[in-house]
Amino acid sequence: KNQVEQSPQSLIILEGKNCTLQCNYTVSPFSNLRWYKQDTGRGPVSLTIMTFSENTKSNGRYTATLDADTKQSSLHITASQLSDSASYICVVSAGNQGGKLIFGQGTELSVKP
Amino acid sequence: DAGITQSPRHKVTETGTPVTLRCHQTENHRYMYWYRQDPGHGLRLIHYSYGVKDTDKGEVSDGYSVSRSKTEDFLLTLESATSSQTSVYFCAISEPPLTEAFFGQGTRLTVV
Repeated sequence: KNQVEQSPQSLIILEGKNCTLQCNYTVSPFSNLRWYKQDTGRGPVSLTIMTFSENTKSNGRYTATLDADTKQSSLHITASQLSDSASYICVVSAGNQGGKLIFGQGTELSVKP
Repeated sequence: DAGITQSPRHKVTETGTPVTLRCHQTENHRYMYWYRQDPGHGLRLIHYSYGVKDTDKGEVSDGYSVSRSKTEDFLLTLESATSSQTSVYFCAISEPPLTEAFFGQGTRLTVV
């Protein structure tokens, strides 16, 4: 069964601190892995997308890593800001054309002043 | 912002009534998806489409049907709504394999 599991389920950090979110997946055939940010009441917005051959990708203060051998990914947020408070969702794209998206349950991040 | 629009944005309906949610895109993307989001479950795939009249089931398809007669429109129908279908529904579009998926703003459906 295709599954994407994220940890922790929720996280509270102080503004300015760094944090790392984890994603483990069992999806076949694997096409790519994406991290999304979802603000309350809005649709998810893409942060990064990585293929099988990519180990790391950055988008500003967000850096995603991928280990295709262990089927693990992480999202590192540097120098957190209050606006980073959101749900972060790991999504693995499956299927030969990569059209089937499997979502993790998300990590709820709260950044406090 | 990607051209994707969901309608209605909010709906309250009674148990047993049919409900249709509409997703409209202006990006000409091949793939369209319907997801539901509930507390503790994240986003779960209901149905998706990989072309006009080409659809497939997701993990929570029971009680839902879809239709795609045009590239730009993907309809989700609840033939007889139940309280367990109270949820927030998101439509997404994508042009695999490498483009990101763009999401609509969501439809909050309440079945009373």
